[in-house]
Amino acid sequence: SSELTQDPAVSVALGQTVRITCQGDSLRSYYASWYQQKPGQAPVLVIYGKNNRPSGIPDRFSGSSSGNTASLTITGAQAEDEADYYCNSRDSSGNRVVFGGGTKLTVL
Amino acid sequence: EVQLVESGGGLIQPGGSLRLSCAASGFTVSSNYMSWVRQAPGKGLEWVSVIYSGGSTYYADSVKGRFTISRDNSKNTLYLQMNSLRAEDTAVYYCARDLLVGAADYWGQGTLVTVSS
Repeated sequence: SSELTQDPAVSVALGQTVRITCQGDSLRSYYASWYQQKPGQAPVLVIYGKNNRPSGIPDRFSGSSSGNTASLTITGAQAEDEADYYCNSRDSSGNRVVFGGGTKLTVL
Repeated sequence: EVQLVESGGGLIQPGGSLRLSCAASGFTVSSNYMSWVRQAPGKGLEWVSVIYSGGSTYYADSVKGRFTISRDNSKNTLYLQMNSLRAEDTAVYYCARDLLVGAADYWGQGTLVTVSS
């Protein structure tokens, strides 16, 4: 399968820790990348590879993977973290990419 | 400073063609993986196509045979030629530079393509 599955919505209390998950067969072979997207803006890469953060991404964002599941963890969620989060990875061919359906994160 | 600026979007009738451009600055398009990603109104992200630095190209099944990704090294510009457009191709189209395939660290602002009669 070349599909990635995400929970449609997740909520977290301000300052608490939240994990957003992404499931798919391709994740057994390839790392996920994670993107944050706020309304009306282009996506922003927050995690890629094993657990790499691009420059400027706060260290409260981290990534992990086990079996067919990749996770994005936000430790100490802030109000500005409220956004849609998307995972992606290479598909089974290795040359194409598939995105998850996205998770809307609400910070309470 | 890395910048990506898309252009070429607009309103087009079903069955028509459109070419999107993505002008890059601050890096060399031909030395990087470059991709197109689209987002239909109110929907999630959908990967469309990638071109490798070596020139290999790959497409999502939904656009294969209708869309063509290419680049002009002299202009440092990425293109997406879209033919036989359908209503379901309506979306904001983003170009992006990939650190690794799928890991896009720089994105353009997006250009809206509306396919409607």
